[in-house]
Amino acid sequence: QSALTQPPSASGSPGQSVTISCTGTSSDVGTYNYVSWYQQHPGKVPKLMIYEVTKRPSGVPDRFSGSKSGNTASLTVSGLQAEDEADYYCASYAGNNFFALFGGGTKLIVL
Amino acid sequence: EVQLMESGGALVQPGGSLRVSCAASGFTFSSYWMSWVRQAPGKGLEWVATIKQDATEEYCVDSVKGRFTISRDNAKNSLFLQMNSLRAEDTAVYYCARLRPGATLDSWGQGTLVTVSS
Repeated sequence: QSALTQPPSASGSPGQSVTISCTGTSSDVGTYNYVSWYQQHPGKVPKLMIYEVTKRPSGVPDRFSGSKSGNTASLTVSGLQAEDEADYYCASYAGNNFFALFGGGTKLIVL
Repeated sequence: EVQLMESGGALVQPGGSLRVSCAASGFTFSSYWMSWVRQAPGKGLEWVATIKQDATEEYCVDSVKGRFTISRDNAKNSLFLQMNSLRAEDTAVYYCARLRPGATLDSWGQGTLVTVSS
């Protein structure tokens, strides 16, 4: 039951785009279109930002988008804003044995 | 409005037991899978356990198998996590979350802190 792999940090200047990767295996990310992304500000509760790889819940800005290729999913934040600075976690359905896995988290820094 | 409110977190000695609860409101609790997710201090999120609407299916991470049990009471709109044989590494904020198809956690509680220490 290994966690999904995310880079520890990512950064960009206001207005730029940043992409965060989430690498799993053929048993989770590679097989299921059930990848979700969560934003967590310090001391706050995680918030769903993307689900089923590409879908955005109502209220989430369209600056946030998701994609997947093979065993790697990605979250792209376009037009970076100061309030986007937070930790981002990916998660994937992993089948009946493990059910679901999280990534280790990526700290997004807005320079 | 969906609301999830955890309770029961406490300081427990290693080897001890604790039950944390989650009171749900604002949605039809019995129609949703539910999960517990934990976050150790300064660390990332970890999926702990998941239970089906009618409690006929349960899943949990290997590190808690045989020690933790997830359960629910649909009549009382409540979710529970019974934790036995607690270890220092179980110290974390435990979040209750509503699960949508595909392992999507769309609503989270505020969390309850469980500290395992002598």
